Amino acid sequence: DTGVSQDPRHKITKRGQNVTFRCDPISEHNRLYWYRQTLGQGPEFLTYFQNEAQLEKSRLLSDRFSAERPKGSFSTLEIQRTEQGDSAMYLCASSLGKGSYGYTFGSGTRLTVV
Amino acid sequence: GENVEQHPSTLSVQEGDSAVIKCTYSDSASNYFPWYKQELGKRPQLIIDIRSNVGEKKDQRIAVTLNKTAKHFSLHITETQPEDSAVYFCAASMNRDDKIIFGKGTRLHILP
Repeated sequence: DTGVSQDPRHKITKRGQNVTFRCDPISEHNRLYWYRQTLGQGPEFLTYFQNEAQLEKSRLLSDRFSAERPKGSFSTLEIQRTEQGDSAMYLCASSLGKGSYGYTFGSGTRLTVV
Repeated sequence: GENVEQHPSTLSVQEGDSAVIKCTYSDSASNYFPWYKQELGKRPQLIIDIRSNVGEKKDQRIAVTLNKTAKHFSLHITETQPEDSAVYFCAASMNRDDKIIFGKGTRLHILP
């Protein structure tokens, strides 16, 4: 287990298409987080999970975004009807939970909507 | 909700000099303040963090200070080296594994 894995690394899609990203956290990490980062900005919180339960979803997140973690292991983030403003780096992170050592980020999925 | 402000947005220092990045936060319930370093094209990596029951923490050339009353915290890098060039983000959270709210980042340039 070498860390948090995200797939794909890059995704180019046409406006209006749906896209889905996958995140595999570090084994035994109970918490999983999704962030979005645009150029020159800090990571923006989207949502996070404790095992399979979604604990919080950002109020800034439109209904076009949905995330799941069905078995408490990997997670998927889906964006429906993509818009050019969705172009960003989507970062996943995981942590052990219980106030442990904090986050480990994955390398991200870069989405370009054309 | 929590809001984290960070400044400066860009900082250039001579190699060997010190660099200071300052942040403020809005939610007095925040108790955990991590700092992340992000090199170009790479993931953010935790470099140091501090909890609200501690006023200062040091790790080799890096130190963080926290003034909980004023809701200020700062990152200090001494004896800067070329490999310190990166974007640095401050952040705030309730705990280490709660959602983290990031500042907008400081691009640090170390000049030869």
